[in-house]
Amino acid sequence: NAGVMQNPRHLVRRRGQEARLRCSPMKGHSHVYWYRQLPEEGLKFMVYLQKENIIDESGMPKERFSAEFPKEGPSILRIQQVVRGDSAAYFCASSPVTGDYEQYFGPGTRLTVT
Amino acid sequence: GESVGLHLPTLSVQEGDNSIINCAYSNSASDYFIWYKQESGKGPQFIIDIRSNMDKRQGQRVTVLLNKTVKHLSLQIAATQPGDSAVYFCAEIGTGTASKLTFGTGTRLQVTL
Repeated sequence: NAGVMQNPRHLVRRRGQEARLRCSPMKGHSHVYWYRQLPEEGLKFMVYLQKENIIDESGMPKERFSAEFPKEGPSILRIQQVVRGDSAAYFCASSPVTGDYEQYFGPGTRLTVT
Repeated sequence: GESVGLHLPTLSVQEGDNSIINCAYSNSASDYFIWYKQESGKGPQFIIDIRSNMDKRQGQRVTVLLNKTVKHLSLQIAATQPGDSAVYFCAEIGTGTASKLTFGTGTRLQVTL
């Protein structure tokens, strides 16, 4: 039973390019969360999605960032026109139901903007 | 040169001793709490959870204590092992927050031989 999968594990982009981060939740999980982690800090919530729906995007920057979780395929976090401040580790988590339940985390994608 | 950013508090413990990691939370409406362990280069790994209607929960070698009066959470690790070395985060889910986790600052646990 595979866990949460994220790819790529490492991504290098030049300023101004686009970054696409992919997340496949655990089998049977229909709730996906994205978090960002800066070095030496805790994870910060970005967005919560269910299939084809954005439930809570209160942690997403207003510009350049978008997320989707289509009916088929992985969830995608997209960052347009990346800047150096976007360099961070981006983690995806999934859960089988909403509410007070454990979220299972993927290994993360480490984005470096040069 | 001077470092920029927040440095994690560090707890150094000898192998075999017990460890206690503390966490203060601010949202009195939070009703579910989780402790995660994060090793270098990896995602957070679930350790143990507790609901707000409990004040203590035990797992294998770990115990979580919840004091709602002072909004304090602690993780106790018995007989600490080198493999316990990692950063530990507490996280909470508040009522009506659509399941998003709010993470604490984190504590680095270093186990010395």
